[in-house]
Amino acid sequence: DAGVTQSPTHLIKTRGQQVTLRCSPISGHKSVSWYQQVLGQGPQFIFQYYEKEERGRGNFPDRFSARQFPNYSSELNVNALLLGDSALYLCASSFGFGNAYEQYFGPGTRLTVT
Amino acid sequence: GENVEQHPSTLSVQEGDSAVIKCTYSDSASNYFPWYKQELGKGPQLIIDIRSNVGEKKDQRIAVTLNKTAKHFSLHITETQPEDSAVYFCAASVSGGGADGLTFGKGTHLIIQP
Repeated sequence: DAGVTQSPTHLIKTRGQQVTLRCSPISGHKSVSWYQQVLGQGPQFIFQYYEKEERGRGNFPDRFSARQFPNYSSELNVNALLLGDSALYLCASSFGFGNAYEQYFGPGTRLTVT
Repeated sequence: GENVEQHPSTLSVQEGDSAVIKCTYSDSASNYFPWYKQELGKGPQLIIDIRSNVGEKKDQRIAVTLNKTAKHFSLHITETQPEDSAVYFCAASVSGGGADGLTFGKGTHLIIQP
């Protein structure tokens, strides 16, 4: 069975640009969460979506936005990129909303902002 | 919000010995505690989790213990093998892993010496 998939694998952008990252959850999973992992740190929660609605938001600026599509895939958008946005962006999927359901992570998208 | 502290940051053990990683959390409302293993260039992999209604859980060579009174939980790996070398993250969830997401520790780099 396919796990969580993310695209692209790597991305290089210039400061001030905008970026869109994509995630496809495990088949049958209806919830997608996004995390940012800076080198040497643990992942930090950005958003969770369930049934196409935002259910949670971490402490990130409004430059970060996301959405979930009817097929449960998701996009994370970051506007006006800063050097500090360079990180591994992880998508996690779960069957439902709430911690009764385990979260499974994809391989991530490595974003480098120059 | 929730804060998770993880120790040690690096742990080196001889192959065949046991390894113990400890985490503390701040919010007494947390009720879900997963552990993830992250290998170089990959996303975090869920290896075991525990919920607040149990004190210990085992899965082959891996066990997790939870002390809600002291607000700490630990990962125990017995009979360590070279393939156990990786970065391990503990996490805690307050409301349900949704609205607040998972809060991660900073990680422990486990090195298995042959």
